[in-house]
Amino acid sequence: GQNIDQPTEMTATEGAIVQINCTYQTSGFNGLFWYQQHAGEAPTFLSYNVLDGLEEKGRFSSFLSRSKGYSYLLLKELQMKDSASYLCAVKNNQGGKLIFGQGTELSVKP
Amino acid sequence: GAGVSQSPSNKVTEKGKDVELRCDPISGHTALYWYRQSLGQGLEFLIYFQGNSAPDKSGLPSDRFSAERTGGSVSTLTIQRTQQEDSAVYLCASRVTDTQYFGPGTRLTVL
Repeated sequence: GQNIDQPTEMTATEGAIVQINCTYQTSGFNGLFWYQQHAGEAPTFLSYNVLDGLEEKGRFSSFLSRSKGYSYLLLKELQMKDSASYLCAVKNNQGGKLIFGQGTELSVKP
Repeated sequence: GAGVSQSPSNKVTEKGKDVELRCDPISGHTALYWYRQSLGQGLEFLIYFQGNSAPDKSGLPSDRFSAERTGGSVSTLTIQRTQQEDSAVYLCASRVTDTQYFGPGTRLTVL
């Protein structure tokens, strides 16, 4: 079967660092995506990891360990606008369809 | 450049009616996906089109759901005899390389 787990919600303080974890069990793994989704809006692409290691892009970094079935998204210097749902998705190697976790609702407090 | 567009943005219908949802992918993107996002749920894959290949319909929840993609561009998702459990946001995404880019979605409410 396919299963992707991430925390339902997290709270962090403006200016701080937060790490959102994602664990997965899937067949035919072909990469892992993180998307950001503000309420009522489309998911927007944040990162894509296909090899083990850390990918850094500005304030956001994403890490992947394929042997452990584990990824995290690291957000630094949190801003109020970072309050959103963060979606972890595993790419299937048959057609590239994405299998999504339920999303982590992040609230950034002043 | 223009992103993925979807229409209508909102659709309210009565139980038992048919609805059509439209997706205009990013120009040049050969792959197109439909997903459904129900309240409090993650995105659920519905169907996938790639070029002229037969679509992957493995995610369609019932035979009331169908989709087509004309001319390798615009796609229409049709739900026949809508039920209240069909109420959700229907999202379309397109890609040309690895990354899928999503449209704003159509919020469907079945009364």
